[in-house]
Amino acid sequence: AQKITQTQPGMFVQEKEAVTLDCTYDTSDPSYGLFWYKQPSSGEMIFLIYQGSYDQQNATEGRYSLNFQKARKSANLVISASQLGDSAMYFCAMREYNTDKLIFGTGTRLQVFP
Amino acid sequence: DARVTQTPRDKVTEMGQEVTMRCQPILGHNTVFWYRQTMMQGLELLAYFRNRAPLDDSGMPKDRFSAEMPDATLATLKIQPSEPRDSAVYFCASGLGAGQETQYFGPGTRLLVL
Repeated sequence: AQKITQTQPGMFVQEKEAVTLDCTYDTSDPSYGLFWYKQPSSGEMIFLIYQGSYDQQNATEGRYSLNFQKARKSANLVISASQLGDSAMYFCAMREYNTDKLIFGTGTRLQVFP
Repeated sequence: DARVTQTPRDKVTEMGQEVTMRCQPILGHNTVFWYRQTMMQGLELLAYFRNRAPLDDSGMPKDRFSAEMPDATLATLKIQPSEPRDSAVYFCASGLGAGQETQYFGPGTRLLVL
């Protein structure tokens, strides 16, 4: 069965530093998609970045990049030059081929301090 | 700026009452999802629709929950009768489906059943 694991309940990072949030997944399907969402204290879920299993290059969106290591089944989110506004919960999610369902991890709470 | 909208944003009700949550997907999106978020269970998919037809409602308690799409611009999730264990944040999300990966979430409805 498909599964998403986020082993870091909480992370701290100083402003302007880079931080990596871990995500590992388990699937037997060769085709799948991986997502990261941000949930600030206001509660909304904000889409950050997407990586397809057949994409040759790691996805990037501004200060966000996804470190995709297929053999290790990991899809870590890297946030460069952290800002105070990056403080939030971050969720990793996976979608298998031929389904629209997203399976979410338990999330990592990131705190950025000055 | 296209967004998913949800009403109400907050709802407090008493056990046994009917609760109706509404969602307006992004115009042109043909796939609509209902998720529930709790501290204990995290984010769970309740049901989803494509082109207004229900594709999967296996995550939804059938005896008290129902989801419908009366038209392409409105999705509803009803709970009747509500119970304290239904207290959660209910998110609606929409997407283009069929290989277009990203799901965009609404702000959520925070439900408290007393």
